[in-house]
Amino acid sequence: QVQLQESGPGLVKPSETLSLTCAVSGYSISSGYYWGWIRQPPGKGLEWIGSIYHSGSTYYNPSLKSRVTISVDTSKNQFSLKLSSVTAADTAVYYCARCLSQNTAMVPFDYWGQGTLVTVSS
Amino acid sequence: EIVMTQSPATLSVSPGERATLSCRASQSVSSNLAWYQQKPGQAPRLLIYGASTRATGIPARFSGSGSGTEFTLTISSLQSEDFAVYYCQQYNNWPPTYTFGQGTKLEIK
Repeated sequence: QVQLQESGPGLVKPSETLSLTCAVSGYSISSGYYWGWIRQPPGKGLEWIGSIYHSGSTYYNPSLKSRVTISVDTSKNQFSLKLSSVTAADTAVYYCARCLSQNTAMVPFDYWGQGTLVTVSS
Repeated sequence: EIVMTQSPATLSVSPGERATLSCRASQSVSSNLAWYQQKPGQAPRLLIYGASTRATGIPARFSGSGSGTEFTLTISSLQSEDFAVYYCQQYNNWPPTYTFGQGTKLEIK
């Protein structure tokens, strides 16, 4: 059974960089699939942040592209999110997830982490 | 950017009745449309993909239809555990630029 677990600071100061990691168990990232980050501000809807293929190819939401970096560490079986220059608008629950099919990103996400709340505040 | 619009924002239905949720895309997404269910404090759960294919373990009372720009999620006989927020998502683009609808809250009448 595939499991994903987000981790990272729950509080980040404005203008600083938000850093989160998604640890994957039950499946080796190096074997395939696209992996993504999605966020949800409190009481609001879902926003896709970006995705990464096991090979390292990345795809970002155009509205966040200038501030986002997603990377993969196959040796640790995890992938990471960095979001720079954060403001209060970046306060959200951040989810990591896996795409449904092994070799395409044109599918939805079927496995999700439980999510982690990140608050941007001084 | 493809904009997904869901209606209604809130739907009040009695247990045992049918619920019909709508999702409209600002341009054609073919059948590259998914539905998720989200309960408070939980991650979204994939219900439907390919507009009409149920994900693994999803009960048959959930069905999806539509293509192009108009989509529907139908829950045939509402159970207590079905009251939640439902999101549609398109995944039609390459490179991927997924977008979600704003959600429909399904509440007990």
